[in-house]
Amino acid sequence: GAGVSQSPSNKVTEKGKDVELRCDPISGHTALYWYRQSLGQGLEFLIYFQGNSAPDKSGLPSDRFSAERTGGSVSTLTIQRTQQEDSAVYLCASSSGGVGEGSWEQYFGPGTRLTVT
Amino acid sequence: AQSVSQHNHHVILSEAASLELGCNYSYGGTVNLFWYVQYPGQHLQLLLKYFSGDPLVKGIKGFEAEFIKSKFSFNLRKPSVQWSDTAEYFCAVNARGNTPLVFGKGTRLSVIA
Repeated sequence: GAGVSQSPSNKVTEKGKDVELRCDPISGHTALYWYRQSLGQGLEFLIYFQGNSAPDKSGLPSDRFSAERTGGSVSTLTIQRTQQEDSAVYLCASSSGGVGEGSWEQYFGPGTRLTVT
Repeated sequence: AQSVSQHNHHVILSEAASLELGCNYSYGGTVNLFWYVQYPGQHLQLLLKYFSGDPLVKGIKGFEAEFIKSKFSFNLRKPSVQWSDTAEYFCAVNARGNTPLVFGKGTRLSVIA
């Protein structure tokens, strides 16, 4: 089936504007992760959703960042009042979310490259 | 907290040379271990994974990695690299189950003819 998809692929925004990034996980995957890839910090975890449980927000860098997952499928990452240091590639991954080892593998989307000017 | 250390920032090899990329992790419990690869202009792809069992795991494209628990290491190897292996390689670890990954800083591999 289709892999993880993300939109837009590129986003250029002015400092101070809000942006929304979208992730469509693999159909049937209950676990969804957001990561950020930047030159200075490498790949960092942001937030994790598993089924109907409360999300693990421990990686969010500030309260300007939030995410939601509607209907257990599509997720939107929102960054309010963007800053230049938010420029990065935002990656989404999903896994099937079951209890067995075969369900733990994370599949990554192509990412959204965010540039804050 | 978990952390992952990749020893080499940039490795340059000639075609047919052997490759070994180092990865050490710090974590107090049982872990899953992964190597991901990112080819130029492409997204992250899983190269290989270790969950349990045989500590020598084989992945795609002739890559393998060995988990040495006593050394907290999961080094990536390939006997003979090709130009098409030019990419960035990331070692990652997470706690058992569906949990967030912690990545190393990555190693850029350049293979020259």
